[in-house]
Amino acid sequence: AAGVIQSPRHLIKEKRETATLKCYPIPRHDTVYWYQQGPGQDPQFLISFYEKMQSDKGSIPDRFSAQQFSDYHSELNMSSLELGDSALYFCASSFSLGQLNSYEQYFGPGTRLTVT
Amino acid sequence: GEDVEQSLFLSVREGDSSVINCTYTDSSSTYLYWYKQEPGAGLQLLTYIFSNMDMKQDQRLTVLLNKKDKHLSLRIADTQTGDSAIYFCAETNTGFQKLVFGTGTRLLVSP
Repeated sequence: AAGVIQSPRHLIKEKRETATLKCYPIPRHDTVYWYQQGPGQDPQFLISFYEKMQSDKGSIPDRFSAQQFSDYHSELNMSSLELGDSALYFCASSFSLGQLNSYEQYFGPGTRLTVT
Repeated sequence: GEDVEQSLFLSVREGDSSVINCTYTDSSSTYLYWYKQEPGAGLQLLTYIFSNMDMKQDQRLTVLLNKKDKHLSLRIADTQTGDSAIYFCAETNTGFQKLVFGTGTRLLVSP
């Protein structure tokens, strides 16, 4: 079965550079979530989109922005990178049936960002 | 507020049962999940339970929910070395909202 695709899988950037992470949800999934997992920590929610509109926002720094496109893929843009941004970034997707909630979030393999 | 706690570490022998525990504080939690994360890998959804249920069984996995005590557990029967991983419980209030994860329990299965 098709899974969530994230690219790139690994990314190395220097401080103050920018990075763009991409997420391709499972086909027919209309909701995308972004999470950040620091070393040895649990995943922390950043932001989510439903039908191309922001649906929820968590502890996402102002230096980060994200959007969901008409084909439902999403991009997380990160600027002025700091050492503390080094982490695993996960994208998850789910689908809704009309107005019904979706209870299952499926995660991609993650993008490992290293800021030097 | 939202707070989900788990014990950090559990070690069992192959063939034994494993029980991983989780406590949460948000009384409005509606859905509770168990995810598995192997080293350097993504999060695999194992199972989930609605708050109006107290038990769910899926092959080797049994989830127990005590809503009064806000306690969730995952029992893995006949634990195998391939079950070694970090297990996260997570909760959410509605299907569209963020998952709030626990601190994770590292399960080590020895032969």
